[in-house]
Amino acid sequence: EPEVTQTPSHQVTQMGQEVILRCVPISNHLYFYWYRQILGQKVEFLVSFYNNEISEKSEIFDDQFSVERPDGSNFTLKIRSTKLEDSAMYFCASSATGVTGELFFGEGSRLTVL
Amino acid sequence: QKEVEQDPGPLSVPEGAIVSLNCTYSNSAFQYFMWYRQYSRKGPELLMYTYSSGNKEDGRFTAQVDKSSKYISLFIRDSQPSDSATYLCAMSAGANSKLTFGKGITLSVRP
Repeated sequence: EPEVTQTPSHQVTQMGQEVILRCVPISNHLYFYWYRQILGQKVEFLVSFYNNEISEKSEIFDDQFSVERPDGSNFTLKIRSTKLEDSAMYFCASSATGVTGELFFGEGSRLTVL
Repeated sequence: QKEVEQDPGPLSVPEGAIVSLNCTYSNSAFQYFMWYRQYSRKGPELLMYTYSSGNKEDGRFTAQVDKSSKYISLFIRDSQPSDSATYLCAMSAGANSKLTFGKGITLSVRP
C-alpha cells in the first residue's frame, strides 16, 4: 500500500539551528501538507501546498518556516532558526484531490530543540 | 471556548464493549467531520469521514454528526484489543480547508 514517508524519524538540534524535515508524498498526489503536534497537545495545521505554491498557512507558519518541493518526489519543511517551542512531532500529509477527508499522513518526524 | 473539544480520557473498556467517543465544537462553519485513529509512534489514519449531519456506518464503526448541537460521536461495536489507540476527531469548514483537530482520547480495550 502506498504511504507517505518522512525523514528523519527523530532529530535533536540546538536552539538557533536550521532544520529541514523531509517528506516523500504518495507518488500521484498533488496536494501536500504539514501539521505538527506538541507533546500533549492537539495536532495543528501549519501549511498546505499545491502547484508549487502555498495554498493556506496558519499563524504558526511565520517567516521562520518555509516549504519547498525541490524535485518531483520530495516535500520539505525548513525551520530557519529553531526555538525551544518548535519541539514537536511534525506530520507530513498528501492527497490526490485536496479533499480534507482524503489526507494520508506520514509517521511523523520528532524534533527536539535543546 | 476552544474550537474543538474532546473528552480527555483515557478510556479503558473490556473486549466486546460498545465504545462511545465524542467531540463538541463551537465553529458553526464546520461542515466536514472526520475521525482518525493514531497508534503509538504512527501518523493519524482516517477512519470515518462525513459531511454535514447524519450517520455513517462502516463495519463496527458508526459516526454521528449533530450540527444543531455541534456534537459528533464515534461508536465502536464489539471492541477488540486491536482498537486500542488514540482517537482524534477533526473537522473543516470546506472540502479543501485545513483540519482542526480535537486533542484525542486514548482507548484501551482489555482482552
